[in-house]
Amino acid sequence: AQSVAQPEDQVNVAEGNPLTVKCTYSVSGNPYLFWYVQYPNRGLQFLLKYITGDNLVKGSYGFEAEFNKSQTSFHLKKPSALVSDSALYFCAVRDYSSGNTPLVFGKGTRLSVIA
Amino acid sequence: ETGVTQTPRHLVMGMTNKKSLKCEQHLGHNAMYWYKQSAKKPLELMFVYNFKEQTENNSVPSRFSPECPNSSHLFLHLHTLQPEDSALYLCASSQEGTGMNTEAFFGQGTRLTVV
Repeated sequence: AQSVAQPEDQVNVAEGNPLTVKCTYSVSGNPYLFWYVQYPNRGLQFLLKYITGDNLVKGSYGFEAEFNKSQTSFHLKKPSALVSDSALYFCAVRDYSSGNTPLVFGKGTRLSVIA
Repeated sequence: ETGVTQTPRHLVMGMTNKKSLKCEQHLGHNAMYWYKQSAKKPLELMFVYNFKEQTENNSVPSRFSPECPNSSHLFLHLHTLQPEDSALYLCASSQEGTGMNTEAFFGQGTRLTVV
């Protein structure tokens, strides 16, 4: 079975500082990894994904994530945080070795960027 | 807009009522999903439809009844719900098939309150 862990419920960072939101995963086969963001009273919005190729993936709004197979991690990063980045962030995984399995999400990490 | 539209955005219903949630996707996808998002819990996958056929039902109580009349529309029929069913219900769609690896696109959700 596949699973995702987001060890931090809340991450606080000052505006202009780099941010990291952590994610580790567990799959029996090959992982396809995703990050989504959710603003208040909205659905989930896709940020970026890792399928294959370069371990460093760049996505929307200046976000990037690094796939690390040995550590089974896919941490979300941004060099300089903005107040408007404050939102709920979800990491998700699919195991394509088991066929087209649905996305499995972590519990989410609330990012607060302080001016 | 993500191409996935959910109605209504907000719904308040009594425990003896019958109501339905509607989801429509304009992306030409062949798979649709219902997720439940409760406070401080991971997103829970409820139902999956691939090519209009239900492929997954994650032990959801029978008071929730999905319907997928075609690949663009998905309903969630609600009957005799409990207060603990109050949550944000999210619909999503994706394109599935050999070699496909697209992300899921989410609607803005229906905020359901059971009184």
